[in-house]
Amino acid sequence: DAGITQSPRHKVTETGTPVTLRCHQTENHRYMYWYRQDPGHGLRLIHYSYGVKDTDKGEVSDGYSVSRSKTEDFLLTLESATSSQTSVYFCAISEGGYNSPLHFGNGTRLTVT
Amino acid sequence: GESVGLHLPTLSVQEGDNSIINCAYSNSASDYFIWYKQESGKGPQFIIDIRSNMDKRQGQRVTVLLNKTVKHLSLQIAATQPGDSAVYFCARGGYQKVTFGIGTKLQVIP
Repeated sequence: DAGITQSPRHKVTETGTPVTLRCHQTENHRYMYWYRQDPGHGLRLIHYSYGVKDTDKGEVSDGYSVSRSKTEDFLLTLESATSSQTSVYFCAISEGGYNSPLHFGNGTRLTVT
Repeated sequence: GESVGLHLPTLSVQEGDNSIINCAYSNSASDYFIWYKQESGKGPQFIIDIRSNMDKRQGQRVTVLLNKTVKHLSLQIAATQPGDSAVYFCARGGYQKVTFGIGTKLQVIP
């Protein structure tokens, strides 16, 4: 594994509650990403970070926010969880820019009831 | 628009045989491709990558072939083992511009 820890690994929450997922890396990589994986859709980018306090939106960012106060930690927050946000969430890191592969954590399975 | 797709959703291979997993892409501007392996309950694991200035790249028991003429990418796994059972998917690009395919499930028959 690439030194990426996601927590929690599983979570069940109710509609309307806030949820925060954490990604911690020990590789000192500059770039960090949050993806969601749903059947039939593949991996879709939610938000990404290109440095401490530097973040930007991905293709499915609505309903999500992120924060990165330290190089090693990247937080994903669902301000008010909805059933459509039931998914498996993956954090990824990469060393460089375009020609650097992503390395993924083992995911957080989130169920919103 | 850009898309990365797969020819077969499931591939069954006898243990010891070679496996070939295919992927097609639609945008000729793509110049960086990656193969990932995802086991049940785990995150995608990087296998091998290739840039468009190459036609072939080899790793340990794996080979990726890139045919830019027909916009086709393949992953070959030599002497397939039970531990190779997983979903494999190709991806294009890097940084925030990565596009992922849906995946092909490789089943290894003992």
